[in-house]
Amino acid sequence: EPEVTQTPSHQVTQMGQEVILRCVPISNHLYFYWYRQILGQKVEFLVSFYNNEISEKSEIFDDQFSVERPDGSNFTLKIRSTKLEDSAMYFCASSQGQGHTDTQYFGPGTRLTVL
Amino acid sequence: AQSVSQHNHHVILSEAASLELGCNYSYGGTVNLFWYVQYPGQHLQLLLKYFSGDPLVKGIKGFEAEFIKSKFSFNLRKPSVQWSDTAEYFCAVNPLYNTDKLIFGTGTRLQVFP
Repeated sequence: EPEVTQTPSHQVTQMGQEVILRCVPISNHLYFYWYRQILGQKVEFLVSFYNNEISEKSEIFDDQFSVERPDGSNFTLKIRSTKLEDSAMYFCASSQGQGHTDTQYFGPGTRLTVL
Repeated sequence: AQSVSQHNHHVILSEAASLELGCNYSYGGTVNLFWYVQYPGQHLQLLLKYFSGDPLVKGIKGFEAEFIKSKFSFNLRKPSVQWSDTAEYFCAVNPLYNTDKLIFGTGTRLQVFP
């Protein structure tokens, strides 16, 4: 069964550094998402992406964050200058149809630790 | 504000016991509802979903959930749990007003002992 994959599984970085989290969505999916889960808290929506554009973003997704689909398979989340509070598990998800009519399939997550 | 509540944070059961995990949401409009499961070391997987129709939804691995609109609830049930059901269970809601985002509950950690 096709799966969403994410790399790396764990990223450790120094505060102020840039990180890029990578995701390979399921191949025939058109809608892509990033969520995050700070330890002990809820999974929170960050951003949705369709047709090479952000379709929705949360208040968490400020100017430090950006997303890109650099080629036909990868979907990336960039954090420009990491802060301690960015430490979290970041989940990528994809769906074939729009998220309110179709199921979102999640990747295994990237654990980001900011020191 | 829209929210999803899972009142059971940690549930411990013996094998063959029955399971019911509560999920309530605070949104008055039409919603899609989901239960996801995360087994240790694995990614979030869809257990079941409700979009419309029969409010009793059957999912994988013998799980089912009932949507009760008047109670804003979507409780997850399984008549007889197994050790392999040990996992974290997340309820999620998609409010259908031009948004694709899922709003998650805090999750319930289920431990099943043989």
